[in-house]
Amino acid sequence: GEDVEQSLFLSVREGDSSVINCTYTDSSSTYLYWYKQEPGAGLQLLTYIFSNMDMKQDQRLTVLLNKKDKHLSLRIADTQTGDSAIYFCAERDNDMRFGAGTRLTVKP
Amino acid sequence: DTGVSQDPRHKITKRGQNVTFRCDPISEHNRLYWYRQTLGQGPEFLTYFQNEAQLEKSRLLSDRFSAERPKGSFSTLEIQRTEQGDSAMYLCASSSLYSGGDTQYFGPGTRLTVL
Repeated sequence: GEDVEQSLFLSVREGDSSVINCTYTDSSSTYLYWYKQEPGAGLQLLTYIFSNMDMKQDQRLTVLLNKKDKHLSLRIADTQTGDSAIYFCAERDNDMRFGAGTRLTVKP
Repeated sequence: DTGVSQDPRHKITKRGQNVTFRCDPISEHNRLYWYRQTLGQGPEFLTYFQNEAQLEKSRLLSDRFSAERPKGSFSTLEIQRTEQGDSAMYLCASSSLYSGGDTQYFGPGTRLTVL
C-alpha cells in the first residue's frame, strides 16, 4: 500500500478556508512537507514541519501534525483562485515519499 | 540564486532511442535528487548524490537508467533504449545538508514523450 495518502480532490469557494489532509505510515519520519504544483510546472515548496512540532503557521498557511495518528493537515485561510493547484504531502526519513496529490479547485 | 534549472523542458523521442537530461542545482547545494512523476501521481524517487557520490541508486527503474554528477555540480540522467512506459515528467531537486532541514527545492522538470 501507499506510504502517504491524500484525498484526490477538494473544491472550495473563494474566501473560504481549505483543509487538505494527509496520512503517513513511517513513524520515523523526521520532516513533513507540503508542496504545490501548478499545471506543467515543478513542485514549489510551501512549508515544512519538524516531527517534534505539532503546529506551524506561515501567513495564510497553517500546518497541524498529529504524530500519534500520523496525520498532517494544511489549512489555507482566505483561499484565492490563484491557490488552485495540486498539493502534495511528503514525509522524509532517509528518502522522500510523496502522496498522489490533492487537486484543489477554488470557485469564484 | 536562480533556483534549480533543467534542460530540456520537453523531449519527444522514438522508442529505442537514448535520451539525456541535465539538471543544474542551486549553486551552494551539495545534494541533488532525481524523481519521476507520472500523470496523477506524486514524484517517485530514483536516485541522489551528495557532492559527486551517488549514495542511492537501487531505486533506479531499470539498468537502462543511469545518472552522473561528475564534478559535484550539474547532473545528467540518461535513459537508454527508451520505451513508451518511460514517458513521464523527470524532476530534479537539490538541497543543502547544512541548512533548512535539508529541504529539497525542485526544478521545472523535463517532460519526456516516447512515441
